Amino acid sequence: QKEVEQNSGPLSVPEGAIASLNCTYSDRVSQSFFWYRQYSGKSPELIMSIYSNGDKEDGRFTAQLNKASQYVSLLIRDSQPSDSATYLCAPHRRSGGYQKVTFGTGTKLQVIP
Amino acid sequence: DAGVTQSPTHLIKTRGQQVTLRCSPKSGHDTVSWYQQALGQGPQFIFQYYEEEERQRGNFPDRFSGHQFPNYSSELNVNALLLGDSALYLCASSLASTSGFGTQYFGPGTRLLVL
Repeated sequence: QKEVEQNSGPLSVPEGAIASLNCTYSDRVSQSFFWYRQYSGKSPELIMSIYSNGDKEDGRFTAQLNKASQYVSLLIRDSQPSDSATYLCAPHRRSGGYQKVTFGTGTKLQVIP
Repeated sequence: DAGVTQSPTHLIKTRGQQVTLRCSPKSGHDTVSWYQQALGQGPQFIFQYYEEEERQRGNFPDRFSGHQFPNYSSELNVNALLLGDSALYLCASSLASTSGFGTQYFGPGTRLLVL
């Protein structure tokens, strides 16, 4: 079992729709969860972080966390063509006093105008 | 506020050569992590430096080594390059603390091509 699993996609949604990106993780002691957006040929850019069970909203983005199910998701409302990118899920945990970060392979999102 | 910087942006080497990549962390950050990202894959953790020491290491051979300087900047060295070392090398900086989760911010990356 992979440490972090994401559907590689591509996930295609029409402009204005809600895009739903999912991630499951195997490390039960993961404490915080980050979503990064990566445009083709560029480096990852942090867009959301969530630490507690439930929902966290930031503009058009909502992160959802369920630690019991080891599941985290990212919803993008009113999707725009500029949202077309690969979205990386990254659980963090403390290991020996330092953080351990594991990335998924990412889900490629395509927003169709 | 200066973000994470990396140099060079692109590099072409031949098999067997050695390469050094450089990273300056975001202002105020003291921890540097290095990742390798192959095409179509997520970033793979190489190692992390704090207080000029390697604190954690991923599943990479000893050909990969690093260093952190007193000003928190860091270098990644790869010896005896293989074709499979061709990838985007990412540096991420964060702030170590006894609490909190040390959010990582990435630099623009160095794209290495080994021929």
